[in-house]
Amino acid sequence: QQPVQSPQAVILREGEDAVINCSSSKALYSVHWYRQKHGEAPVFLMILLKGGEQKGHEKISASFNEKKQQSSLYLTASQLSYSGTYFCGTEFRSWGKLQFGAGTQVVVTP
Amino acid sequence: EAQVTQNPRYLITVTGKKLTVTCSQNMNHEYMSWYRQDPGLGLRQIYYSMNVEVTDKGDVPEGYKVSRKEKRNFPLILESPSPNQTSLYFCASSAGLAGEVHEQYFGPGTRLTVT
Repeated sequence: QQPVQSPQAVILREGEDAVINCSSSKALYSVHWYRQKHGEAPVFLMILLKGGEQKGHEKISASFNEKKQQSSLYLTASQLSYSGTYFCGTEFRSWGKLQFGAGTQVVVTP
Repeated sequence: EAQVTQNPRYLITVTGKKLTVTCSQNMNHEYMSWYRQDPGLGLRQIYYSMNVEVTDKGDVPEGYKVSRKEKRNFPLILESPSPNQTSLYFCASSAGLAGEVHEQYFGPGTRLTVT
């Protein structure tokens, strides 16, 4: 089962914050976050492991709530370069099988 | 330059004509994977490989074959393509240390149209 991402899309003004959620119905081992710009390949942002700490990438950070089987990606003080589609990928065990959500489109306007 | 290459980048073919999409990485990565991307569905994993001669099915393996005879190459084979395999395909590789998938590096993508 693919993880469920919400919202499907969000429009921000430069400098605003946003949160993207990724939920699974099964116990998670890890959550992977990627960003894809139009016409390009996905680019890695970060991985959160079960029992691990919150991670950060510039002003983008993420958390992993094991009890809720949910990860959240935080876009803080958004920049124009943050525009793109964000995908979460989930692993249930460390076997290499990854399932990605449908994506959240983020548009940051001046 | 560290990279994942895919060929061809664009392909239009007809139903039933066997084709192979090649994928090669120069980072000595253990882990390689194939995904297809369709509007509204995100990335769906087709097959993955944790090491040479070790491959396993992802969520949508039907109609596809793969092989991993060398560490650097992971070709995707469509024995008898059908129109529902029209999609954007990405190959990715990762260090895959200790059996874990780490940061994946994606190739540029192959846009396949099957008529």
